Amino acid sequence: AQRVTQPEKLLSVFKGAPVELKCNYSYSGSPELFWYVQYSRQRLQLLLRHISRESIKGFTADLNKGETSFHLKKPFAQEEDSAMYYCALGAGAGGTSYGKLTFGQGTILTVHP
Amino acid sequence: GAGVSQSPSNKVTEKGKDVELRCDPISGHTALYWYRQSLGQGLEFLIYFQGNSAPDKSGLPSDRFSAERTGGSVSTLTIQRTQQEDSAVYLCASSGRGDQPQHFGDGTRLSIL
Repeated sequence: AQRVTQPEKLLSVFKGAPVELKCNYSYSGSPELFWYVQYSRQRLQLLLRHISRESIKGFTADLNKGETSFHLKKPFAQEEDSAMYYCALGAGAGGTSYGKLTFGQGTILTVHP
Repeated sequence: GAGVSQSPSNKVTEKGKDVELRCDPISGHTALYWYRQSLGQGLEFLIYFQGNSAPDKSGLPSDRFSAERTGGSVSTLTIQRTQQEDSAVYLCASSGRGDQPQHFGDGTRLSIL
């Protein structure tokens, strides 16, 4: 069974401070991990995908298969980063698998001025 | 528009009534997903369509829930004999292929009185 755990429901930091949103997963196959973000009164949107290995809005995330983690990091948080962040696990790449997503419970990030 | 469109944006109905929620995916997207976002449950997968077929209905919570997709485009999620626990935001997403990132709509906020 697939499971995604985001241990922090709420996370508060000050502007300019580093931020790390934790995500752990459980999946027996080849995982495909995503971070989605939902800003206030906006739709859920893709932030990062692990296979892209890119930095979006200063955020990065590295898949650690040994620790089954996909933590989201940003060295200097900005007020506009305040939002709900969801970690999500895809059913796996290749074969007949498809993109059904299993989401974590989400972390509300608040960046104070 | 270029994004996933859902209607209505809000729906308030009495317990026991039937409701229909509509999703218009991004043009050309063959994969379509329904999720439910509720307090305490987070984001839960309901059903997945590839074209007009639904190979995975495993997330539908009861036989009161059904969905169809016609012409490989618009999808309708129907909830019969609504209950108060059906109150949630129902999200639709589409992707170009099953392994491509999903793009979400704004959702339909369903409130059962």
